[in-house]
Amino acid sequence: DVKVTQSSRYLVKRTGEKVFLECVQDMDHENMFWYRQDPGLGLRLIYFSYDVKMKEKGDIPEGYSVSREKKERFSLILESASTNQTSMYLCASRLDREDTEAFFGQGTRLTVV
Amino acid sequence: QKEVEQNSGPLSVPEGAIASLNCTYSDRVSQSFFWYRQYSGKSPELIMSIYSNGDKEDGRFTAQLNKASQYVSLLIRDSQPSDSATYLCAVLLYGNNRLAFGKGNQVVVIP
Repeated sequence: DVKVTQSSRYLVKRTGEKVFLECVQDMDHENMFWYRQDPGLGLRLIYFSYDVKMKEKGDIPEGYSVSREKKERFSLILESASTNQTSMYLCASRLDREDTEAFFGQGTRLTVV
Repeated sequence: QKEVEQNSGPLSVPEGAIASLNCTYSDRVSQSFFWYRQYSGKSPELIMSIYSNGDKEDGRFTAQLNKASQYVSLLIRDSQPSDSATYLCAVLLYGNNRLAFGKGNQVVVIP
């Protein structure tokens, strides 16, 4: 079974802190994604990566950065956390083929106070 | 036009009825389409994928794709209370590996 693991289920951070969200997948997937999910807004793409050290901005990259130094790990970084970044963050991965789906991690509920 | 659109508002259906969900997309050359189910507080999980025009059936679920009209639909037959969830439509945008989601439709099955 494909496993996508996010480092924390719940996280509480203070405004201005630098926050790291980690995601690891065990199926040698090329593509990895970070989304945030807010009520009424659905899943919005923050960044995605199609290979090691490669990244592309999604719809809402402001205030975030990412790192992909190894194929299995994709990190989301909040440079200076703000209260409007309080959200559910979801990581996903998939093979780089048109006929394959994305698999999601369990999500990280981040609260910035 | 948004990349993926789902009509908003919760859908209430009686147990045993058919739930019908629709999704439209803007990228005319997209080839891969997915329906995910998300229970409250949980991650999305894939229930159907479809890649060619027509219908695809899997148990009580049927996905329908019409590339000319750029829509994808999901039918849930014999709806059960366990089908109560949010259903997300996803489209793999052609050429850039970007997976875009609609806002989702909440389905409530009333016993």
